[in-house]
This record gives sequence, structure tokens and C-alpha cells, in this order.
Amino acid sequence: EPEVTQTPSHQVTQMGQEVILRCVPISNHLYFYWYRQILGQKVEFLVSFYNNEISEKSEIFDDQFSVERPDGSNFTLKIRSTKLEDSAMYFCASSDRGLGDGAFFGQGTRLTVV
Amino acid sequence: AQSVSQHNHHVILSEAASLELGCNYSYGGTVNLFWYVQYPGQHLQLLLKYFSGDPLVKGIKGFEAEFIKSKFSFNLRKPSVQWSDTAEYFCAVNAPSGGSYIPTFGRGTSLIVHP
Repeated sequence: EPEVTQTPSHQVTQMGQEVILRCVPISNHLYFYWYRQILGQKVEFLVSFYNNEISEKSEIFDDQFSVERPDGSNFTLKIRSTKLEDSAMYFCASSDRGLGDGAFFGQGTRLTVV
Repeated sequence: AQSVSQHNHHVILSEAASLELGCNYSYGGTVNLFWYVQYPGQHLQLLLKYFSGDPLVKGIKGFEAEFIKSKFSFNLRKPSVQWSDTAEYFCAVNAPSGGSYIPTFGRGTSLIVHP
């Protein structure tokens, strides 16, 4: 069964450092997403990406965040200067016809900012 | 803005008990509805989805959900749970916003099934 792969599974970083979270979506999918889940809270939408550009983003996705599809297979989320409150589980997802068709989620990357 | 409410935050059941997890959403127009499951240490997986047609949707592992438009609800059910159903369950709603969909998740319900 195809799956979305995320690396690393756990990242610890110091406040103010830049982090890049990596995702390999399912190969024939065209829509890509990042979500996050702060411990004990709900899953929050961050951004969607289609046709090499951001199609939707939430209020959480401010100038500190960026996404990229550098090589046609990876889909990355960069946080420029991490804050303590960025500590969360970050999920990548992909789908072939937009989220209206349900998405495949990765295992998640647990980001801990200290 | 649309919102999704899952009223049961923690549910504890014994094996063979019946399960119903509530989900209500606030958007009044056409929506797509989903239930996702997250087993301990694993990724989010799609359990079932509703787009249109028969409001009773059957998913994997014996789960089903019923869309009741008048109640803005999409409750998840399973007649007889197993220990392996222990997981976090998330209801999600896609509703149109401009030209695309804004996906919104509920807070999640933690289900523990005792053997």
C-alpha cells in the first residue's frame, strides 16, 4: 500500500533555530498538506500546496513558515526561527484530487523546541 | 468559520460493547465528512468518508457513520468493539471556502477498549 513518509520522526531544536521537516508524498498525488497537532489539542491545518504554489494557508502559517517542493518528490516545511510554542506533531498529507477525496497522512514528525 | 465538535474526549469500553462517537459541524452548505483514526504510534488513517448519496457510510474494520443533515452530525458507530480499536478518532469536515476546501478537524476522541 502506498504511504506518505516523513523524516525525521523526532526533532529536537533550540529556540531560534531553523528546522526543515521533510515529507515524501505518494508519487502520483498532486495535492500536499501540512497539519500540526499540539499535545492535547486538535489537528490544525497549516497549508495546502498544489501546482507548485500555496493554495490555502491558515492564520498559523505566518512568515516564519514556508513550504517547498524542491525536487518533484520531497515536500518540505521550514520554520525559520523556532519558538517554544512550535513544539507539536507535524503531519504531512497528500491526495490525488484535493482533500475532498480524503488524504493519506504520514507518520508525523514530533518537533520539540527547547 | 466552520467548526467541528467531538463531544466525547475520552471513551472507555469493554470488548464487545457498542460504540458511538459524536461529531457535529457548523457549516450549513455542502460538506464532505471524514473520520480518521490514529492508532498508538502510527499515522492518521482514513476510516470512512461521506460525499453524497446514502447517508449511511460503511468504512474499514466494521465502522460506519451516519450523516444526518438536519442535525449537522456525522456520528461514528461500531456494533462490537475490539481491543485493537484502541486509538484516537478524529472527525474532519471539508467545506468550500472561495475556490477550494478548508479542512477542519475535531479535537479527537480517545478510545480505550479493555479486553
